[in-house]
This record gives sequence, C-alpha cells and structure tokens, in this order.
Amino acid sequence: KQEVTQIPAALSVPEGENLVLNCSFTDSAIYNLQWFRQDPGKGLTSLLLIQSSQREQTSGRLNASLDKSSGRSTLYIAASQPGDSATYLCAVRDNAGNMLTFGGGTRLMVKP
Amino acid sequence: SQTIHQWPATLVQPVGSPLSLECTVEGTSNPNLYWYRQAAGRGLQLLFYSVGIGQISSEVPQNLSASRPQDRQFILSSKKLLLSDSGFYLCAKAVAGANVLTFGAGSRLTVL
Repeated sequence: KQEVTQIPAALSVPEGENLVLNCSFTDSAIYNLQWFRQDPGKGLTSLLLIQSSQREQTSGRLNASLDKSSGRSTLYIAASQPGDSATYLCAVRDNAGNMLTFGGGTRLMVKP
Repeated sequence: SQTIHQWPATLVQPVGSPLSLECTVEGTSNPNLYWYRQAAGRGLQLLFYSVGIGQISSEVPQNLSASRPQDRQFILSSKKLLLSDSGFYLCAKAVAGANVLTFGAGSRLTVL
C-alpha cells in the first residue's frame, strides 16, 4: 500500500526566503505526482503535475522535481511571499490511474 | 473549482442522524469521481472512488456509503452519523485518461 510522507509538517519563514518542501513515497510504481495548495477551510488547488517520466515542472516561482527511483519529490518556492502561506499537499497516483494517495501536508507560514 | 459543485457547504448534524452530501460535476462525460475526507489536523483520506455510473470502490469505514446515480453526480451518505465523521469532505474528478485531479470547494460537516 502506497504511503506518502511530507516533511516538515509545518514551516515558518520570513518573506523573501527560498524554501523547499519534501515529499516521499514508498511505492515507486507511480503514474504521476501532483502538488496542491490548500487555503484554510477551502478546497485544493492544483499547482504542478509531474508525470512519472518527467524530472521536474516549473510554474512561476514554483519548481517541483521528481526522483521516482528514490521515491522523492520536492517543491521549491523562490522568493516566498506572505500570500504563499497555505498548506501544501503532495499526492501520487498509482499506475492504474484511479488511486491518489496524499501526504499529510506541510503548513507554510511566510511572515512579512 | 467552478466545474465541481458541492453542497451543502457547511452542515451541523447530531450523532445518529443521516447524511447526504452531493457533488455534481461539469465537463467531459464519464469522469472518475472521488470522495475524500480531511479530519482536523490530518491529511486527506480517500473514502470512495467511482469510474462510472453505479460503480463504487470503497476504501473505508462502513457507516459511510457512496452512490453514483448519474454520470456527473456523486453522493456521500450515512444512515447514522458518528462523532468521528466530522471533517471536511472534498469531491474530486479526473477525466479518464487525463492526469489532473480537480477538487470542489468542500463540505464541512460537524457532528455534535
């Protein structure tokens, strides 16, 4: 059974700092990996999707990498802003394409 | 997401009462549909997923059930709510063969 772990569980940084969020998964036979953002009391917004054959994806100040063989993904946020404060979740989809397993999330606070 | 509608947005119910949360989706026909639950301070737990009308796969506890009476309608139900059923329920869709999972805004359930 796939297990997804995110470290750290919570992170507080000053504005402007570059930061890295980590995601690890136990079964490397994945179809893709997706990073989401969740604001308090809200649904999830997809940030980046990495196919199993890809190494990284970029969108603006966000860069996500994937090392499938070692079961790891990182989300890099450059020049963090207070508006980046949210919970960030990673999720992996299995090869059948039906099951999406989520990590516990990293709660990020960017202080002005 | 504007393509996924969940209601009610918030709900307060007594222990032992029934539950019905509805999710309807727009867009491409025959999407895969999912129900997730997010308990306070915890990650997302997959409850049910459906690859077609009347097809439900369950990942969880028996006091919850799901049904898909129409292609774009997914319903989460319970005959008798437990305190532990409190949480934030998210409906999601993925178009078959596509990669991205899209979430609704969620329904917050408080069981007293």
